[in-house]
Amino acid sequence: QITLKESGPTLVKPTQTLTLTCTFSGFSLSTSGVGVGWIRQPPGKALEWLALIYWDDDKRYSPSLKSRLTITKDTSKNQVVLTMTNMDPVDTATYYCAHTRPIEIRGAFDIWGQGTMVTVSS
Amino acid sequence: EIVLTQSPGTLSLSPGERATLSCRASQSVSSSYLAWYQQKPGQAPRLLIYGASSRATGIPDRFSGSGSGTDFTLTISRLEPEDFAVYYCQQYGSSQTWTFGQGTKVEIK
Repeated sequence: QITLKESGPTLVKPTQTLTLTCTFSGFSLSTSGVGVGWIRQPPGKALEWLALIYWDDDKRYSPSLKSRLTITKDTSKNQVVLTMTNMDPVDTATYYCAHTRPIEIRGAFDIWGQGTMVTVSS
Repeated sequence: EIVLTQSPGTLSLSPGERATLSCRASQSVSSSYLAWYQQKPGQAPRLLIYGASSRATGIPDRFSGSGSGTDFTLTISRLEPEDFAVYYCQQYGSSQTWTFGQGTKVEIK
């Protein structure tokens, strides 16, 4: 059974850097074809894809946020870490990590974490 | 970047009725890399459909997806009380980026 869980601060100040950790079980991020992505959702708004890391350490970023994002993985710890620099109140959102097998399930995210709410405020 | 436009924004229907949700892409979505999700308040999204028409594991057959190119549809054949939620479409593009639509809310009439 695949599970993912996000963790990190619930409150950050403007201009600070946000670091979120996705801890997962039930699969290995060294298995060919597997990826873990980050998606966020501001309160009452739509989902927005942020970044994704593949089993082979290939990385993809949202073009609009690329300059602020870094995604890394620690296969031994079953974790994926997302950092976002220069946080702003508009970045207030629930942040989700999710599992995918981009080729096998055509780029869909089949298992999601419960999400973690991050508020940006001074 | 491909933009997905969902319509209508809100769909007001009664249990037992048929729901038809639309997702239109600004460019052709390659190889039907189009998915649909259901999201209820306070919950993470749940994958319903991938590859435009394949149901995810455990999804009831009243949910079906169709379409290709730039026009895609999610159909719920007979609405059950638990189907009232927000639905999102999502595409995976040739540049290996993902985008979501703005969502359609299916509410009880």
